[in-house]
Amino acid sequence: SAVISQKPSRDICQRGTSLTIQCQVDSQVTMMFWYRQQPGQSLTLIATANQGSEATYESGFVIDKFPISRPNLTFSTLTVSNMSPEDSSIYLCSVFGFTGENTEAFFGQGTRLTVV
Amino acid sequence: KQEVTQIPAALSVPEGENLVLNCSFTDSAIYNLQWFRQDPGKGLTSLLLIQSSQREQTSGRLNASLDKSSGRSTLYIAASQPGDSATYLCAVRHGDYKLSFGAGTTVTVRA
Repeated sequence: SAVISQKPSRDICQRGTSLTIQCQVDSQVTMMFWYRQQPGQSLTLIATANQGSEATYESGFVIDKFPISRPNLTFSTLTVSNMSPEDSSIYLCSVFGFTGENTEAFFGQGTRLTVV
Repeated sequence: KQEVTQIPAALSVPEGENLVLNCSFTDSAIYNLQWFRQDPGKGLTSLLLIQSSQREQTSGRLNASLDKSSGRSTLYIAASQPGDSATYLCAVRHGDYKLSFGAGTTVTVRA
C-alpha cells in the first residue's frame, strides 16, 4: 500500500495568484499522478510526473498553467498559476502501490482550492 | 476513448436496505477496475479492486462483480448503514497506468 500526504488541505486564493500543492509518499514510486475534480464532476488526469524527466500533460492541460516538480522518488508539487475562479476544484495526488499480488491506485486527501 | 458511466447518479435508501451501484465502460480492454469511496470535499478511499481476469471480489459487506465482455461492474453493499453515505466512484485502468473515472453515485442512507 501507499500513504500519501497532501498539503495544504484547503485554501482560498485571490485570482491572479499562484498556489503550490505538495504531495509526499511514504515509499519510493516511479510515477506520481495529479488529478483535478471540478465541483460536481469526476476526476480528470492533469499530468503524470516522473522523477528525472518532464511531466507528461493530458490534453487540455499545459505546463505554463500547471507546472510540476518531481525532485525525488517520494515527493512532487503541482502549482496552479495565475488562478481564476474556474480553477476552483479539488486537486488530488495519486500513486500506485502493491497490495498482495495487485497494484492499485492510492490517493491523497486532496487540496480543496477556492479562487475568489 | 474510454467512457465510464455510473447509474444512478444519486440514491437514497433507508438503513438496512441493500445497495446496488452500477458502472459501465465502453472499452473492454482494461487491466483492472477499482471502486472508491469519497466523502464530501475529501480524497478517495479504495474499496475493492477487480483484476480483468476475475469475476468478483468481496470485502466484508461489499461485493463487486465484473463482466468485462459486456463492460459492466456492479458494487453491492449489504445491510446499509448511515456511515455508508458517500459518493462511490468506479475507475477502469488501462495498461499505461491511466485511470478513467465515472461521475459517481451519491448515496444517502437514512437512519
